[in-house]
Amino acid sequence: GAGVSQSPRYKVAKRGQDVALRCDPISGHVSLFWYQQALGQGPEFLTYFQNEAQLDKSGLPSDRFFAERPEGSVSTLKIQRTQQEDSAVYLCASSSGTGETGELFFGEGSRLTVL
Amino acid sequence: EDQVTQSPEALRLQEGESSSLNCSYTVSGLRGLFWYRQDPGKGPEFLFTLYSAGEEKEKERLKATLTKKESFLHITAPKPEDSATYLCAVPPPSSGYALNFGKGTSLLVTP
Repeated sequence: GAGVSQSPRYKVAKRGQDVALRCDPISGHVSLFWYQQALGQGPEFLTYFQNEAQLDKSGLPSDRFFAERPEGSVSTLKIQRTQQEDSAVYLCASSSGTGETGELFFGEGSRLTVL
Repeated sequence: EDQVTQSPEALRLQEGESSSLNCSYTVSGLRGLFWYRQDPGKGPEFLFTLYSAGEEKEKERLKATLTKKESFLHITAPKPEDSATYLCAVPPPSSGYALNFGKGTSLLVTP
């Protein structure tokens, strides 16, 4: 596809369950970002990959959050033992450069609801 | 401490009624200010990057301007299809790639 693809679009999890969210960036894009967006808020940075290297994970809220991009393309954000406060939209974005231009291409997001 | 503050939170305009959205930032050594548009249920869509005070960028009915403390997004003669949330973002001092977003301005343009 031409754009960033995320799946699932919607996920409902019971508290304590593990979830995995997938991001398929634009082909050839070096940089990949994960953001978390709560209702009525702007996106908040979670983590950044340049190819397969995770260069910054300072925004991950806790050690229950884990992201990987093993082959430098598709990325997965995993949340273990989900809590209600994890309910949010998780946005993936990619960029052809290092992202310093700020021109990120976002997917439509994965909306996670934890009951 | 918030680095980006947007106002107003919400704005309702009649079609053709021009207005401006504000983005105030506190980060020193600005390395770019970015505007995005976000439609309901979609991811943000890049609009503009501004790097230095006095710089202006235009796209259709939108014009973004930058001063040393704030940026304005001017909307001239808006149409209903301009209805969206407009987000402003800056990189934090510690990073050139992560973006700190404001909460956005929700714009509704009625016919």
